[in-house]
Amino acid sequence: AQSVTQLDSQVPVFEEAPVELRCNYSSSVSVYLFWYVQYPNQGLQLLLKYLSGSTLVESINGFEAEFNKSQTSFHLRKPSVHISDTAEYFCAVSDPNNAGNMLTFGGGTRLMVKP
Amino acid sequence: ETGVTQTPRHLVMGMTNKKSLKCEQHLGHNAMYWYKQSAKKPLELMFVYSLEERVENNSVPSRFSPECPNSSHLFLHLHTLQPEDSALYLCASSRGLLETQYFGPGTRLLVL
Repeated sequence: AQSVTQLDSQVPVFEEAPVELRCNYSSSVSVYLFWYVQYPNQGLQLLLKYLSGSTLVESINGFEAEFNKSQTSFHLRKPSVHISDTAEYFCAVSDPNNAGNMLTFGGGTRLMVKP
Repeated sequence: ETGVTQTPRHLVMGMTNKKSLKCEQHLGHNAMYWYKQSAKKPLELMFVYSLEERVENNSVPSRFSPECPNSSHLFLHLHTLQPEDSALYLCASSRGLLETQYFGPGTRLLVL
């Protein structure tokens, strides 16, 4: 069974500083990888995804993530965060050969951006 | 985000009550999902439907009963719940089973 580990449950950072949210997964097969963001009192929103092709994927609000197959990682980065980025971020993985399309989620990382 | 809507947004119920959660997707998708998000636990997939047929059921207690009358609507019927069932229940949909999932805002359920 797949598992996803987000090593940091909370990441405090000052505004305009860079940030990296770590995600590692355990799977020996090909995977789809996702980052979702959950703002307070809201559902999950897709931030970015890796399905195939370029290992570096970007979102429209400045986040990027790089798929590293050898390290089984999909870390999320942003060079300069804003107060509005304060939210919980979830890494997820799915097996493209799994008919049920089961998403396995990490425990989440709460990003707290301070002024 | 109005593609996937959920009602009610908040629900408080006693252990002997019967209630239903509703999810509706306006994206023309064919697959729908129920997830449970508890405090300090990863999101748990509960049910998967594709073209109104149940595909996956991850050993969910029978006090949770899903219903998918058409590809746009998904219900979760609740009866004789326990306090540990208190959580945020998220609905998601995708164009097909292998496609990206889009989530609704969730229903925050409190069982007293």
